[in-house]
Amino acid sequence: AQSVSQHNHHVILSEAASLELGCNYSYGGTVNLFWYVQYPGQHLQLLLKYFSGDPLVKGIKGFEAEFIKSKFSFNLRKPSVQWSDTAEYFCAVNARYGGSQGNLIFGKGTKLSVKP
Amino acid sequence: NAGVTQTPKFRVLKTGQSMTLLCAQDMNHEYMYWYRQDPGMGLRLIHYSVGEGTTAKGEVPDGYNVSRLKKQNFLLGLESAAPSQTSVYFCASSYGTGRLAGGYEQYFGPGTRLTVT
Repeated sequence: AQSVSQHNHHVILSEAASLELGCNYSYGGTVNLFWYVQYPGQHLQLLLKYFSGDPLVKGIKGFEAEFIKSKFSFNLRKPSVQWSDTAEYFCAVNARYGGSQGNLIFGKGTKLSVKP
Repeated sequence: NAGVTQTPKFRVLKTGQSMTLLCAQDMNHEYMYWYRQDPGMGLRLIHYSVGEGTTAKGEVPDGYNVSRLKKQNFLLGLESAAPSQTSVYFCASSYGTGRLAGGYEQYFGPGTRLTVT
């Protein structure tokens, strides 16, 4: 069965610090990978996604993620965080083929708190 | 274009009461999903639908039923609410093309916060 692990439950950074949130998945086949963000009191929004091609994916608001197939990882990065990046971040994966019908498997999330 | 909408936004139920949560999407998506979000647990799939008239169980289906009578609507029902069903419920939708459906991102609604006392 597929699973997604996010290494950090809660990350606290000061503004302008660099960010890297870890995500590892468990699945032997071809996958699609996503990072979603949930700002306080809001619904999930897509930050970025990887389907194929360049393993370095750029998303909105200066975020990027790198797919490393050999490590089953899809870590999220941002060179300089802002207070407005305070949110919860979810990594998700689905199998590109097969009978799962595109169901997303989510990690448990990482809360990011940015101090002004 | 409203995207994915959910009704109601908040609800408090007593144990044993029933209710239905409504999800509507105007993007002509084939696939629709119901998740619950609990602190430290991420999002867990309750039920999903790959088209009008079809539904299937997700990871945590017990205590819930769903119906997809119209393509744009996906209803989640609680027949006899329990305190363990206190949660935030999110609906999502996506394009779907059979076995390649995994390539499509999901669009989420604003959520319903349900408290069962």
